[in-house]
Amino acid sequence: AQTVTQSQPEMSVQEAETVTLSCTYDTSESDYYLFWYKQPPSRQMILVIRQEAYKQQNATENRFSVNFQKAAKSFSLKISDSQLGDAAMYFCAYRSRIRETSGSRLTFGEGTQLTVNP
Amino acid sequence: KAGVTQTPRYLIKTRGQQVTLSCSPISGHRSVSWYQQTPGQGLQFLFEYFSETQRNKGNFPGRFSGRQFSNSRSEMNVSTLELGDSALYLCASRAVVYNEQFFGPGTRLTVL
Repeated sequence: AQTVTQSQPEMSVQEAETVTLSCTYDTSESDYYLFWYKQPPSRQMILVIRQEAYKQQNATENRFSVNFQKAAKSFSLKISDSQLGDAAMYFCAYRSRIRETSGSRLTFGEGTQLTVNP
Repeated sequence: KAGVTQTPRYLIKTRGQQVTLSCSPISGHRSVSWYQQTPGQGLQFLFEYFSETQRNKGNFPGRFSGRQFSNSRSEMNVSTLELGDSALYLCASRAVVYNEQFFGPGTRLTVL
């Protein structure tokens, strides 16, 4: 079974600064997806960024980028130029590409609560 | 396109009752997954339905069940409610050819 671990329950950052959220995972599979989701106080889960394991290039979406280290099973999220609206709970998630056994199932980490200070 | 909708948004029940939650996926999405979110256990996968068939199931007791209709709308049912069933229940839909799952706003269930 796959597991996802986020070792930082809480993080804080000053507005306009950069912050990195950590995530490690454990799997015996070689082909999978990794995601970062954001959950603001409204509780609506919003996809921030996605990484396919077969791609060596790190994914980037505007101010959000990841550092994907497949051998180390590490998947960190970097938020640049932090904004007040970035304050939320951030979840790292894993999904297998073996549809027959896993389908759309996401395995989530415990979450990191990010506070952005003005 | 309308997003994923869940009804009701809030629900209060008492122990021993049963409850049915509804999820309408994004138009064209055939996969619907359900998740339970609690402060203690975090986000846990309940089950996934695809084309009216349960494709995958998480580690939850048989009191938790679901189904999917021909229009892809899904319901989940919890029978004989326990205090520990108090949680935010999220559903997510996905189109077959895309990787992203889109989540609904959730149903907050409180069991007294």
